[in-house]
Amino acid sequence: GAVVSQHPSWVICKSGTSVKIECRSLDFQATTMFWYRQFPKQSLMLMATSNEGSKATYEQGVEKDKFLINHASLTLSTLTVTSAHPEDSSFYICSARTGQGGVYEQYFGPGTRLTVT
Amino acid sequence: DAKTTQPTSMDCAEGRAANLPCNHSTISGNEYVYWYRQIHSQGPQYIIHGLKNNETNEMASLIITEDRKSSTLILPHATLRDTAVYYCIVRLGRYNTDKLIFGTGTRLQVFP
Repeated sequence: GAVVSQHPSWVICKSGTSVKIECRSLDFQATTMFWYRQFPKQSLMLMATSNEGSKATYEQGVEKDKFLINHASLTLSTLTVTSAHPEDSSFYICSARTGQGGVYEQYFGPGTRLTVT
Repeated sequence: DAKTTQPTSMDCAEGRAANLPCNHSTISGNEYVYWYRQIHSQGPQYIIHGLKNNETNEMASLIITEDRKSSTLILPHATLRDTAVYYCIVRLGRYNTDKLIFGTGTRLQVFP
């Protein structure tokens, strides 16, 4: 099946620093990529949607200047958490969508656990 | 996308069938029913999807009622590794712009 990877799998950073998370579709080209955030014992919350070469579309309440998304190619998207604070500590999950002319399938990465101290 | 309602949690004995219900009474005619699961601290995993016919794959079966207002995911022989949160999601599926919105899901605990 289709594989989506994320790097790093976990990261610890100090408050005020920025962290970049990479998301790659390994064996397919993703028409669209999505970023989700998940706090402990909660469901996944969609943060933003991005298409290659276009600006990301952010969900209501998600700060676009804080969570920078770059979708450089059909196989790579990055999420940068700028000036991270402890409340940004969470499990970040990317997802990549593929398909054409019919039903689109969506696959998820393994997630990146961010801890801000 | 239509909202879905799932029980918060369920238990199942190992080796028995796990039947996970989902209500989606406001589903529209062109919306699909998708099932994903999330094992602890991992990304969600696609299980199965369907429009109106029952579907089966190597992981599970999906039974959709004739009026499409509810569905049941069946894991025929549950194992301990099937312990996870199961999400039932309704979405259009045929457009690249629609979003996959997760509800609270059902926490399935498989016990020995």
